[in-house]
Amino acid sequence: DTEVTQTPKHLVMGMTNKKSLKCEQHMGHRAMYWYKQKAKKPPELMFVYSYEKLSINESVPSRFSPECPNSSLLNLHLHALQPEDSALYLCASSSSVTSTDTQYFGPGTRLTVL
Amino acid sequence: AQRVTQPEKLLSVFKGAPVELKCNYSYSGSPELFWYVQYSRQRLQLLLRHISRESIKGFTADLNKGETSFHLKKPFAQEEDSAMYYCALSGTGAQKLVFGQGTRLTINP
Repeated sequence: DTEVTQTPKHLVMGMTNKKSLKCEQHMGHRAMYWYKQKAKKPPELMFVYSYEKLSINESVPSRFSPECPNSSLLNLHLHALQPEDSALYLCASSSSVTSTDTQYFGPGTRLTVL
Repeated sequence: AQRVTQPEKLLSVFKGAPVELKCNYSYSGSPELFWYVQYSRQRLQLLLRHISRESIKGFTADLNKGETSFHLKKPFAQEEDSAMYYCALSGTGAQKLVFGQGTRLTINP
């Protein structure tokens, strides 16, 4: 399996809801990432996990809570989001966090916050 | 700080014409540069990276440290090249990928 998968594809939630985004890869990659992409904008890095440990948090609000339960899975827990958090959330993975490694992206979860 | 600039939001060329997508960067160390592409209804994927010095789908890009540029070129554009192209930079020893604003390339028949 050479793909990064993300579920769900679409998610609509209210500001008081709690939901989770899921990302999975079976390429043996040890680095995983969350990006946020607003319409007509480039992806912006949110979090980096290296060997299941959080290594970069780009000053993301605490209503976004990442979790890496094992080397193949990455979750993003959402709570009390705001309408401006509506975006495409992309997951990516790479073999390590070396700067030359290619990142492989998932198809994204399109999130709408009402 | 890392910064990537793609001056053209939109670029339109005719099939068979040469195409050049510009990318300039700002970084104090030795950067790793990438071009990522997103075709319609497909996921973001790597097109090429400067360290590989390879040609993918006829595209090449040369890192010019003097001009801090990493322009993407193809001598003869094809209709299937129509896509969104992002130039991206990663700093030395870290995988914090910073993307440019992107250039939407349209190849006209």
